Order: sequence, then structure tokens, then C-alpha cells
Amino acid sequence: DQQVKQNSPSLSVQEGRISILNCDYTNSMFDYFLWYKKYPAEGPTFLISISSIKDKNEDGRFTVFLNKSAKHLSLHIVPSQPGDSAVYFCAASDSGGSNYKLTFGKGTLLTVNP
Amino acid sequence: KAGVTQTPRYLIKTRGQQVTLSCSPISGHRSVSWYQQTPGQGLQFLFEYFSETQRNKGNFPGRFSGRQFSNSRSEMNVSTLELGDSALYLCASRPTEAGELFFGEGSRLTVL
Repeated sequence: DQQVKQNSPSLSVQEGRISILNCDYTNSMFDYFLWYKKYPAEGPTFLISISSIKDKNEDGRFTVFLNKSAKHLSLHIVPSQPGDSAVYFCAASDSGGSNYKLTFGKGTLLTVNP
Repeated sequence: KAGVTQTPRYLIKTRGQQVTLSCSPISGHRSVSWYQQTPGQGLQFLFEYFSETQRNKGNFPGRFSGRQFSNSRSEMNVSTLELGDSALYLCASRPTEAGELFFGEGSRLTVL
């Protein structure tokens, strides 16, 4: 049973436009969400996170939105740059049960075309 | 500050053999997690150690095991290798039990 779902395996956008990556989760106990970026032959690198007490968090060109009622979060990248081309993973954890394991989605391959 | 270091980076084994992968966390980090990445499956959680104790375990068979030493370094072992064990094995660390993970570059295992 996949608790974190990234339903779009890939996304292609033009340089300078907005990239929107989506993530859905099924476990209502999840209260902390993260996005990671992964280049080939490298480990994932942390991008941005959001706690369930907030519905938006910004860091430069990256903004994460959380809709708890829909169990949905999204990562917006504005403006998109060719160097943003990578696989993006959504992750979630449940801190209430002292279980801080991060559960990851399968990832979305973002391609930003010059 | 040095990042998470994993060794070896690449290795090739044959079915039935066993393998041990090593991970040195970021200095001061006490939590180490292991993930398996295969094409189309994302990152699947193997286990997490904190202060030498296994705190969480994923849904992998008993052939997959791990441990953490007093200096926070960790090893994972896979016995009786199968073709399906071919994957990128990622180690990650964090200072405490919660928060974001910092990943190493991974150990690429190929089972022939």
C-alpha cells in the first residue's frame, strides 16, 4: 500500500515558466512533509519542508503548498531553470507516534527545456 | 563539514553471495537510515538506527540486516543475493530522530 503517491512520472516545462509537482498521501497521521531533488549518480538533496500546522512555505524560487483536507501537497518552482531538471521526490513522516521514518513517493522526473 | 560517505560506490556480485555496505554519517549525526532505490519504485525504506538501536524496519525479508556502531557508522548486509536485489542503496543521516535526512551518493549493487 503506497502511502505517498506521485502520480506523474514525468513533467516537461519551458525555461522561465512555472513547474508544479504534485504529491498525494493517504496516511492522515502524516504531519511533516519534505521535497527532495535527485540528479543521476547523486544522492537526493533536501529542498524544502512544511509542517502540517502551515499551508505554505517559501524558499527562494521554491514554494510548497499543503492542503490537509485533500491530503495533497505541491511544489512550485518559479521561474524554472534548466538546472532544475532532476527527479523530485515527495516524502512524509508521522511524528505523533514517535515514528519519524520518512516515506517517499516514486518521484517525478522534471525536464526544463531551454 | 564532510557529507555522508558510502562505500563501496559500485559493486558486482553473483546470486547467492552476500554483500556488506558501509556508511559514515555526517559528524555529530546519530541517526542513520537506509533506503533501496530501484527504477519505478522510488525510495523504499529498509531500516533506521539511532544510537546503535534499530528504531524502524521496512518490509524487506530477513536477508537484509544492518547495524550501527558506537561512532554512529553503519553497515547493512544482504545475504543470499537475488537478481532483484540489484539497486542503488542509499544511506542517510540526521542529527536526531526527526527532521530532514542528508543522503550519501549511494552504493550501486549489481547482482548477476
